[in-house]
Amino acid sequence: KAGVTQTPRYLIKTRGQQVTLSCSPISGHRSVSWYQQTPGQGLQFLFEYFSETQRNKGNFPGRFSGRQFSNSRSEMNVSTLELGDSALYLCASSRAIRWNTGELFFGEGSRLTVL
Amino acid sequence: KNEVEQSPQNLTAQEGEFITINCSYSVGISALHWLQQHPGGGIVSLFMLSSGKKKHGRLIATINIQEKHSSLHITASHPRDSAVYICAVRSTQGGSEKLVFGKGMKLTVNP
Repeated sequence: KAGVTQTPRYLIKTRGQQVTLSCSPISGHRSVSWYQQTPGQGLQFLFEYFSETQRNKGNFPGRFSGRQFSNSRSEMNVSTLELGDSALYLCASSRAIRWNTGELFFGEGSRLTVL
Repeated sequence: KNEVEQSPQNLTAQEGEFITINCSYSVGISALHWLQQHPGGGIVSLFMLSSGKKKHGRLIATINIQEKHSSLHITASHPRDSAVYICAVRSTQGGSEKLVFGKGMKLTVNP
């Protein structure tokens, strides 16, 4: 059974650009959540989607957005990139209908560097 | 004060030692996760707890809801256990749910 797949694995952007990251969940999982990991702040929750609807959202500015498609694949977008957006972006999928009841399965992450 | 605190921040142990990692939290939660992250970034979920105790192989996780505290125990530690262990809680505050993470504990097990 394939795991959670994130693309691209590595990317470099410059300030002011935008970036789109993709996450394909495990087959049958309908919940996808996104996280940012930096050396200073550690792991932080971005948002969670279920059946194409954003159910929960962390404390990030509106430059961070996401969506989920009917096949449960999800994308997140960061616009007007800042140096501080350099991070490892992780997504996780879960089979559970209720987000707080399901085990999380993480992808390997997309490492974004903003120059 | 962080909502999720882990101790110790770093730990070096010898192979075979019994290891305990602690996690305290200050918010209401619906569940608590223990995660393992190896160099390179990949995260593996070890346990999800809402009460009591769970065991998987050499790993044991406990949670005390009243004291807002959880522990992860590793018996007979092995160099392959070297990783960062992260505690995360599912917090319900302000009408929405979110996952709040501790800073992690870096474990090094020497042969």
